[in-house]
Amino acid sequence: GAVVSQHPSWVICKSGTSVKIECRSLDFQATTMFWYRQFPKQSLMLMATSNEGSKATYEQGVEKDKFLINHASLTLSTLTVTSAHPEDSSFYICSARDLGLAEYFGAGTRLSVL
Amino acid sequence: GENVGLHLPTLSVQEGDNSIINCAYSNSASDYFIWYKQESGKGPQFIIDIRSNMDKRQGQRVTVLLNKTVKHLSLQIAATQPGDSAVYFCAEKSFSGGSYIPTFGRGTSLIVHP
Repeated sequence: GAVVSQHPSWVICKSGTSVKIECRSLDFQATTMFWYRQFPKQSLMLMATSNEGSKATYEQGVEKDKFLINHASLTLSTLTVTSAHPEDSSFYICSARDLGLAEYFGAGTRLSVL
Repeated sequence: GENVGLHLPTLSVQEGDNSIINCAYSNSASDYFIWYKQESGKGPQFIIDIRSNMDKRQGQRVTVLLNKTVKHLSLQIAATQPGDSAVYFCAEKSFSGGSYIPTFGRGTSLIVHP
């Protein structure tokens, strides 16, 4: 089956630093990738939709200057949390979709900002 | 997607029983539905999907039922096993802005007792 690799799985950083999370589709070309945020015991909240070679589409309430998304190739999208603060601590999950509707998820990245 | 509440609904069953997890979706224009299983600290894992032109689809030990009249989706797990313990999310997809956008339901925590 389709595999999506997300890295790192866990990151701890100091307040004010920036953190980059990578999402790679390993065995298929992902025309679209999605970035989600999940708080404990809650559902996944879609942050943005990323299409290869174009600007990401952000959901309402998500700051695009805070959460920078780059989808430079058909197999890689990155999310950079800029100037991270403790309230940015969360579980971030990416997913990738091929030409169909099926969406394949990464294992998630737990971000802890001190 | 809607982020509802702080506490996930919980379903407790005995090993070997059948489980039924329910989901109400919001968008009558959604035409593709998916059930995911999420174990603690991991990304969602695809279980089964169904398109809006169907009302039932079966997989291995799982069945998804779709009632478009009342916008209701259910996941039936036969002979539930301890390894089925996880949080289950339904997701609906609708076509918007040139892309299929996913919306996740609130999730149900399934606890299987040996």
